Amino acid sequence: GQQVMQIPQYQHVQEGEDFTTYCNSSTTLSNIQWYKQRPGGHPVFLIQLVKSGEVKKQKRLTFQFGEAKKNSSLHITATQTTDVGTYFCAVRAAYSGAGSYQLTFGKGTKLSVIP
Amino acid sequence: DGGITQSPKYLFRKEGQNVTLSCEQNLNHDAMYWYRQDPGQGLRLIYYSQIVNDFQKGDIAEGYSVSREKKESFPLTVTSAQKNPTAFYLCASSSTSGSVTKNIQYFGAGTRLSVL
Repeated sequence: GQQVMQIPQYQHVQEGEDFTTYCNSSTTLSNIQWYKQRPGGHPVFLIQLVKSGEVKKQKRLTFQFGEAKKNSSLHITATQTTDVGTYFCAVRAAYSGAGSYQLTFGKGTKLSVIP
Repeated sequence: DGGITQSPKYLFRKEGQNVTLSCEQNLNHDAMYWYRQDPGQGLRLIYYSQIVNDFQKGDIAEGYSVSREKKESFPLTVTSAQKNPTAFYLCASSSTSGSVTKNIQYFGAGTRLSVL
């Protein structure tokens, strides 16, 4: 089945520092999604990337999809304590059928922000 | 107020007991999913259903069962065959139409299952 590697597993940063998490697949992806799970909460959808080389921004968050559609990154500029949580990538393989909707989630990167 | 409702929030299972976790959605989504989350792990797919009266095994279906008799409901039963059921269980749903919104998953608040 589809596999995806997400690194790092944990990241501790001082408030105001930048943070980046990476998601890598061995196969070409149809699209990639990013979710955030606050401590004790449930995953919440952040964004979906579909096009090769796509870059999207949400305030201090920048999402990139690799040119080969096999990797992606999420970068947070000047972290705040509200950024604390676990960030997951979720992928759908390019070979998935049109009627296939399930996603494969990475193991997530747990971000801690030190005030 | 649209969304996905999971109940109960906490559940305790005795040895040899089957327990059922409820998941209801009013988003009119065709697809529904059950995930298991263990500490330090990602979300592992247990079962999914893309249409009423049909469901498919995910990566870790052993010891679990589901039904999809109604579009709004997708209950998960953790059977006594599941020897390590302690985990956080998440239900999700997604639309199967719409070029932008299709495949985005919306999650319930989860059920924490523990073994007594």
